[in-house]
Amino acid sequence: GENVEQHPSTLSVQEGDSAVIKCTYSDSASNYFPWYKQELGKRPQLIIDIRSNVGEKKDQRIAVTLNKTAKHFSLHITETQPEDSAVYFCAKSKDRRQLTFGSGTQLTVLP
Amino acid sequence: DAGITQSPRHKVTETGTPVTLRCHQTENHRYMYWYRQDPGHGLRLIHYSYGVKDTDKGEVSDGYSVSRSKTEDFLLTLESATSSQTSVYFCATSLDREGTEAFFGQGTRLTVV
Repeated sequence: GENVEQHPSTLSVQEGDSAVIKCTYSDSASNYFPWYKQELGKRPQLIIDIRSNVGEKKDQRIAVTLNKTAKHFSLHITETQPEDSAVYFCAKSKDRRQLTFGSGTQLTVLP
Repeated sequence: DAGITQSPRHKVTETGTPVTLRCHQTENHRYMYWYRQDPGHGLRLIHYSYGVKDTDKGEVSDGYSVSRSKTEDFLLTLESATSSQTSVYFCATSLDREGTEAFFGQGTRLTVV
């Protein structure tokens, strides 16, 4: 269907460790996969995105990988810091009309 | 932040009353969206618009209607508010280009009592 499954729903890591969040989808037409970060009481904001013609994209401590064959994509955060604590949402779209979000992952970075 | 303003920011209303939430953007983005955010459900699309007077339903559109008479304004109306519509509502916009960032408003916390 059109949904995106996101796991885990909560994730706690020690400061300095890595965090990985995974999303799976089922439709083959999706071609754009963004990740949003939402701090407590704030609006969601884009942190990184990837298109279907790319397998991996990296921006400093954040990376996203996409496996179109298996229909899953993942967010990787390395050297986590307390300010990385937030809710992270994956999303997908096959065109700009249908941006579908996962249910979110609450990431807590423990000092 | 993109120029997206939602009003009101907070509202408490009674069951059965109509409610209208407003989203105003100054970015001249063609696409606009209304989402609701509930614990365990993430962001669910209510309605979206790809131009003036051009709207379509999202996955949770029952009980909601929208209107877009100008590029900059997208209104969400709850015809007869119910307690299940208590939620945080986010408006978002995106450029007229496939696969681009969606910019969100600050959100509106609506409580139906």
